[in-house]
Amino acid sequence: QQQVKQSPQSLIVQKGGISIINCAYENTAFDYFPWYQQFPGKGPALLIAIRPDVSEKKEGRFTISFNKSAKQFSLHIMDSQPGDSATYFCAASSGWETSGSRLTFGEGTQLTVNP
Amino acid sequence: KAGVTQTPRYLIKTRGQQVTLSCSPISGHRSVSWYQQTPGQGLQFLFEYFSETQRNKGNFPGRFSGRQFSNSRSEMNVSTLELGDSALYLCASSSMPQGNGYEQYFGPGTRLTVT
Repeated sequence: QQQVKQSPQSLIVQKGGISIINCAYENTAFDYFPWYQQFPGKGPALLIAIRPDVSEKKEGRFTISFNKSAKQFSLHIMDSQPGDSATYFCAASSGWETSGSRLTFGEGTQLTVNP
Repeated sequence: KAGVTQTPRYLIKTRGQQVTLSCSPISGHRSVSWYQQTPGQGLQFLFEYFSETQRNKGNFPGRFSGRQFSNSRSEMNVSTLELGDSALYLCASSSMPQGNGYEQYFGPGTRLTVT
């Protein structure tokens, strides 16, 4: 029940295209859903995050869509650029009182944006 | 503000040895979490420290331990190293439970290789 399932495992898109990565969770206590971007040799960097009281959050070219009833959330990268090529992780947390700062991560998606 | 720093960045150890990794959180952050990242298991939560107390622990054997100092700096220790302990060890800090504490920021990691 603590798992977060992420798909696809890898994704190849053309420059200017839309990249879509999906995640699903089971634990209804999760109330914070961040996405992280990781480049080789670096630690994960927080990209964007959403709480379940909104269905969508947009920051620049990155958008999170959240479906509470389906227990799914997704990351959309508009106008994908070669510099976006990285591994993306979704994650979930159930808050300080329940689990402190603990994040449960998805398996990761290797995104390649071809020029 | 300076980010999360981890030392050393790379480490090579022999089976049976022990190792200590260090993490300095972002100034003002009191919560420090540790994660293990491997190609096979992904990002897995090790433990979290807050105010020098372990607040959460993941599903890892007792060979993995940690501590936090009064200045919020944290160390993790792995005793009796096994080949399977080869991984990228990541430290993350957050301002939990204050402010926008849900946001966690990762360091660059320590790459541990066990031979």
